[in-house]
Amino acid sequence: KAGVTQTPRYLIKTRGQQVTLSCSPISGHRSVSWYQQTPGQGLQFLFEYFSETQRNKGNFPGRFSGRQFSNSRSEMNVSTLELGDSALYLCASSPDRVRPGNYGYTFGSGTRLTVV
Amino acid sequence: AQKVTQAQTEISVVEKEDVTLDCVYETRDTTYYLFWYKQPPSGELVFLIRRNSFDEQNEISGRYSWNFQKSTSSFNFTITASQVVDSAVYFCALSEAESNTGKLIFGQGTTLQVKP
Repeated sequence: KAGVTQTPRYLIKTRGQQVTLSCSPISGHRSVSWYQQTPGQGLQFLFEYFSETQRNKGNFPGRFSGRQFSNSRSEMNVSTLELGDSALYLCASSPDRVRPGNYGYTFGSGTRLTVV
Repeated sequence: AQKVTQAQTEISVVEKEDVTLDCVYETRDTTYYLFWYKQPPSGELVFLIRRNSFDEQNEISGRYSWNFQKSTSSFNFTITASQVVDSAVYFCALSEAESNTGKLIFGQGTTLQVKP
């Protein structure tokens, strides 16, 4: 069974540009969530999608957005990149958003974004 | 407010030593889930264990064991006879079922270095 796949693995962007990251969840998983990991702030929740609907959003500016497609694949977009957006972006999937403890969350390897 | 605290930032041990990683959590929910994840240098978060708030039974899995105590809001993780391959960052995380936010709240992580 394939795991959570994130593409690309590495990205280098310039300040002011925008970027789109992709996440393919485990087959059958309908909940996809995104996290940002930085040395200073640690792992922070960005947003969660379930059946194409954003159900929860973390405390991030509106430059961070996402969406989920009918096949549960998800993308996140960051517009007007800032140096502080440099981070590892991790995607996680779960088959059941309501009872994640029954199944847990499976994470991908992440996309490492560097903004220069 | 929900919070996860891992007071130990870094731990260094010599191979074959036992090591315990501490995790203290705060939540108002009575139903919640606790997780431990391991993050090797590759970046992927590897799931180790989950516990729900109604199951205080301690668990042992090979060299790993977990001690969940609701009375002290702690969910500690012990590695017996540590090995060099155990070197990684370990995260404790909380998911609140009643708040139904679909997100994981992570501690700051404990970096474990096992020296040969």
